[in-house]
Amino acid sequence: DAKTTQPPSMDCAEGRAANLPCNHSTISGNEYVYWYRQIHSQGPQYIIHGLKNNETNEMASLIITEDRKSSTLILPHATLRDTAVYYCIVRTYNQGGKLIFGQGTELSVKP
Amino acid sequence: GAVVSQHPSWVICKSGTSVKIECRSLDFQATTMFWYRQFPKQSLMLMATSNEGSKATYEQGVEKDKFLINHASLTLSTLTVTSAHPEDSSFYICSARGGVTTSYEQYFGPGTRLTVT
Repeated sequence: DAKTTQPPSMDCAEGRAANLPCNHSTISGNEYVYWYRQIHSQGPQYIIHGLKNNETNEMASLIITEDRKSSTLILPHATLRDTAVYYCIVRTYNQGGKLIFGQGTELSVKP
Repeated sequence: GAVVSQHPSWVICKSGTSVKIECRSLDFQATTMFWYRQFPKQSLMLMATSNEGSKATYEQGVEKDKFLINHASLTLSTLTVTSAHPEDSSFYICSARGGVTTSYEQYFGPGTRLTVT
């Protein structure tokens, strides 16, 4: 599975959009981009995933560049409860794919 | 979404004893289960992958005789830490993945904090 690179930490003001970048320049054609987050001392929580089109759900939006070498997770109106470590992972979408976690981005939402 | 539970949520044991952690998929059948370990301030590290009815596949550097994994049914996997030592103290997280009916998505349990004294 391809490797991802994320900034180690980011701050965001409460109520503003949080834009979390991820580089995955070695992603291959059958690999999806997944985003999970982990709030302190809890199991990871699924946020969103996509292949090449932009995706949106009730939690976030995922913007994937046309060459698929990078993506951005957008939390449109960050709240204090969004403070967590966010992981960007690429994985094949089949029985063999595994989620291998990198270091992630520690997002701090401040009042 | 699908729910994965772990039991216990925390456990304290004495050095040299063994500890078993259970992972259950509550509303779907998990053809594959994963076990991760997380030390403070670090990311999750995949320890092993198990398919129901088969022997687990361990990641490089993980001792299979120390971390025994059993995946006897489609809803239950167990991790036994044998002869635990203080350096095994960690946060253990399981994850379960169903088949095509759950789009091969991977769902995580809440984790088990193990402290070895």
